Amino acid sequence: EDKVVQSPLSLVVHEGDTVTLNCSYEVTNFRSLLWYKQEKKAPTFLFMLTSSGIEKKSGRLSSILDKKELFSILNITATQTGDSAIYLCAVISGGYQKVTFGIGTKLQVIP
Amino acid sequence: DADVTQTPRNRITKTGKRIMLECSQTKGHDRMYWYRQDPGLGLQLIYYSFDVKDINKGEISDGYSVSRQAQAKFSLSLESAIPNQTALYFCATSDPIGVSLFFGPGTRLTVL
Repeated sequence: EDKVVQSPLSLVVHEGDTVTLNCSYEVTNFRSLLWYKQEKKAPTFLFMLTSSGIEKKSGRLSSILDKKELFSILNITATQTGDSAIYLCAVISGGYQKVTFGIGTKLQVIP
Repeated sequence: DADVTQTPRNRITKTGKRIMLECSQTKGHDRMYWYRQDPGLGLQLIYYSFDVKDINKGEISDGYSVSRQAQAKFSLSLESAIPNQTALYFCATSDPIGVSLFFGPGTRLTVL
């Protein structure tokens, strides 16, 4: 059974801190790993990762994939209160492009 | 205009009622999905469709049915709603290569 595990489940940090969110997976025929940010409603796309060792960056957010060790990390530097959200990791796998989601990490950034 | 739209955005209904949630997309994608989200359980796949003639059950399809009326439209029905179907429902589409997923704004459904 395909599995995506995120850690920690929740995290409280102060503004300006740096955080690292983890996502490990066990799937058959990996195709891509996706990170989403979910605030009030729909998840919004952050990154798509398909190759090991290539860092994706967008402002203060960055992510990298390790296909040998089967995990990805999402880093957020100089956190702001607007970073408070649930961060979801999803893996697309198999010939039918099955999508498996982790439960998410709830991040709270306090002033 | 949003690429993936859902109607209604919020709905309160009673146990036993039939409910339809609608999803439309302008992305031109063949692949469409219905998910529900419950606190602590993440996103769970209800049904998915890879084209108009291809509909498949997901992890939690019991109590739900779907209709793919056209490439752009994918509807989810609750034949006889029950309180534990209270959740946030998302429609999504994926690109032809199948490496990314695009969500609609969600429908918050409450079954009393």
